[in-house]
Amino acid sequence: GENVEQHPSTLSVQEGDSAVIKCTYSDSASNYFPWYKQELGKRPQLIIDIRSNVGEKKDQRIAVTLNKTAKHFSLHITETQPEDSAVYFCVSYSGTYKYIFGTGTRLKVLA
Amino acid sequence: GAVVSQHPSWVICKSGTSVKIECRSLDFQATTMFWYRQFPKQSLMLMATSNEGSKATYEQGVEKDKFLINHASLTLSTLTVTSAHPEDSSFYICSASIGWQGTYEQYFGPGTRLTVT
Repeated sequence: GENVEQHPSTLSVQEGDSAVIKCTYSDSASNYFPWYKQELGKRPQLIIDIRSNVGEKKDQRIAVTLNKTAKHFSLHITETQPEDSAVYFCVSYSGTYKYIFGTGTRLKVLA
Repeated sequence: GAVVSQHPSWVICKSGTSVKIECRSLDFQATTMFWYRQFPKQSLMLMATSNEGSKATYEQGVEKDKFLINHASLTLSTLTVTSAHPEDSSFYICSASIGWQGTYEQYFGPGTRLTVT
């Protein structure tokens, strides 16, 4: 079945540094890739998304890149702040109309 | 816009009893709703997809007789955990989407924490 691999599982960075999270999907029919931030006990919050006809998208300190050939997509957070600390999930929207979640990355930004 | 609510936000029940969780789309009509389960420090796992007025489609390994899903209207879906056991304790999250079988965007509810004692 479809799956999404996400790395790393945990990531600690110093405040102000950049953080990169990488995902690989399996379903070649996937055409939409949102990223979610989830704080403990709360719902996932959409932070950025990209569609398959675009290679890169940026929103202030957050950017996402997509390589359809390699089935890779990545989240880049620059100038990290303590409030960026959370669990981040990548998602592949598959041809079967379902969200396939990655395994999650626990990001800790050290002040 | 696109607000999804869940009720209750948390519930404690005794082993063997049933508990119902409601998921409502407050400002849009949700043709498709999804139910996820999330164990501590794990990812969201899709349990089932429901389209208004039809039977839910369950993911492999999810017992449809244990997790009853009803999507009777365009704004309400319910998940009933029947004969709950401690291993059913988890964070249950619903999401809603517009369009048959869903469109790109899913809007998530705040989740329901179920504890079975």
